[in-house]
Amino acid sequence: EPEVTQTPSHQVTQMGQEVILRCVPISNHLYFYWYRQILGQKVEFLVSFYNNEISEKSEIFDDQFSVERPDGSNFTLKIRSTKLEDSAMYFCASRGDRINTGELFFGEGSRLTVL
Amino acid sequence: KQEVTQIPAALSVPEGENLVLNCSFTDSAIYNLQWFRQDPGKGLTSLLLIQSSQREQTSGRLNASLDKSSGRSTLYIAASQPGDSATYLCAVRKFSGGYNKLIFGAGTRLAVHP
Repeated sequence: EPEVTQTPSHQVTQMGQEVILRCVPISNHLYFYWYRQILGQKVEFLVSFYNNEISEKSEIFDDQFSVERPDGSNFTLKIRSTKLEDSAMYFCASRGDRINTGELFFGEGSRLTVL
Repeated sequence: KQEVTQIPAALSVPEGENLVLNCSFTDSAIYNLQWFRQDPGKGLTSLLLIQSSQREQTSGRLNASLDKSSGRSTLYIAASQPGDSATYLCAVRKFSGGYNKLIFGAGTRLAVHP
C-alpha cells in the first residue's frame, strides 16, 4: 500500500542550526502538508502546498520556516535557525484529490530535538 | 474559530468491552471529519473519513458517526482488544477560510487491558 515516508526519524541539533526534514509523499498526490506536535499537545497545522506554491500557512510558520518541492518526489521543510521551542514531532501528509473532500495520509513523523 | 474537543481524555477498560469515544466541534461548516490512531511516538494512521453529507462510516470493528448540525462525532469500537490501545484523534476540515487544513482534537488515550 502506498505510504508517506519521512526522514530522518529523529534529529538532534543545536539551537541556531539549520534543519531540513524530508518527505516523500504518495506518488500522484497533489496536495502536501506539514504538521507538528509538541510533546503532550495537539497536532497543529503548519503549511499546505499545491502546484509548487504555499496555499495556506499558520501563524507558526514564520520566516524561519520554508518548504520546497525540489524534484518530482521530495517535499522538504527547512527551519533556518532552530529554537528550543521548535522541538516537536513533525508530520508530513499528502492528499490526492482535486476537491476538498479527500483523505489525508500521514507519515511516521520526524522527531526534532533542539538542545 | 474552529475548536475540536475530545472526551474522555483517557479511558482504561478490560478487554472485550464496547467503547464510545466522543468528538465535538464548534463550527458545523466542515468538509469532513477524520479519525486517526496514534501509537506512542509514532505517526497518524487514518481510521475512518466521514464526509459532511454522510452520517456514518464503518471499518471492521470501528464505526464512526457524524451529526454535523450538533457538531458531534463518535467513534464506536466493538469488542475491544489490547491491540486497540493507542491515542485516538479526531480532526475536522473546515468548509471555508482554511479548507486546506485539518484541525485536531487533543485525543483520547485508550488502554485496553487483558
